[in-house]
Amino acid sequence: NAGVTQTPKFQVLKTGQSMTLQCAQDMNHEYMSWYRQDPGMGLRLIHYSVGAGITDQGEVPNGYNVSRSTTEDFPLRLLSAAPSQTSVYFCASSYSTSGSQYEQFFGPGTRLTVL
Amino acid sequence: GENVEQHPSTLSVQEGDSAVIKCTYSDSASNYFPWYKQELGKRPQLIIDIRSNVGEKKDQRIAVTLNKTAKHFSLHITETQPEDSAVYFCAASNGAGGTSYGKLTFGQGTILTVHP
Repeated sequence: NAGVTQTPKFQVLKTGQSMTLQCAQDMNHEYMSWYRQDPGMGLRLIHYSVGAGITDQGEVPNGYNVSRSTTEDFPLRLLSAAPSQTSVYFCASSYSTSGSQYEQFFGPGTRLTVL
Repeated sequence: GENVEQHPSTLSVQEGDSAVIKCTYSDSASNYFPWYKQELGKRPQLIIDIRSNVGEKKDQRIAVTLNKTAKHFSLHITETQPEDSAVYFCAASNGAGGTSYGKLTFGQGTILTVHP
């Protein structure tokens, strides 16, 4: 199992550019999430999905779009990059059963700089 | 929404000492409380978690306690070692599984340094 994979590892964008951060998992997990990590602020939820075709907003969704066409993939799109989106982005996945939530497995992260 | 406060923000101990990190949460419906360890430049990794029907859980040198009445939970690391140095995050969630996704709300993190 590769677990949760993310590409690219590093990215530099200019203000106004768009791009897609890729995330894939091979554990057949229903839940997938995107977080951003900024110094002193922990991890904040951007968007999440409870299964293919179902997505919803997290704590800081503005400026980002997601889609989930397959169980494995959950790409994050930056529509028009801004310097405030400079951050480290983590994708995570987890499974669940009725009545319980379980460990979230994180990808290696993407370090994004917006100039 | 849920709010998780974590203290202290930095913690420095000598090797062999114990370390305690505390978190409080605001949503009484939260029922799942994981702790993650993140080494420099790496991804967060789960080290222990506890559910609301349990008051304490141990795994070797690591233990977590939960006080639902006071809405706080703590991480205890005994006999600390230099390799325990990392950033530790607490989190809280009110997920019930299935399509009831429990959003994880994270604390701000604690930088633990263990001096040899």
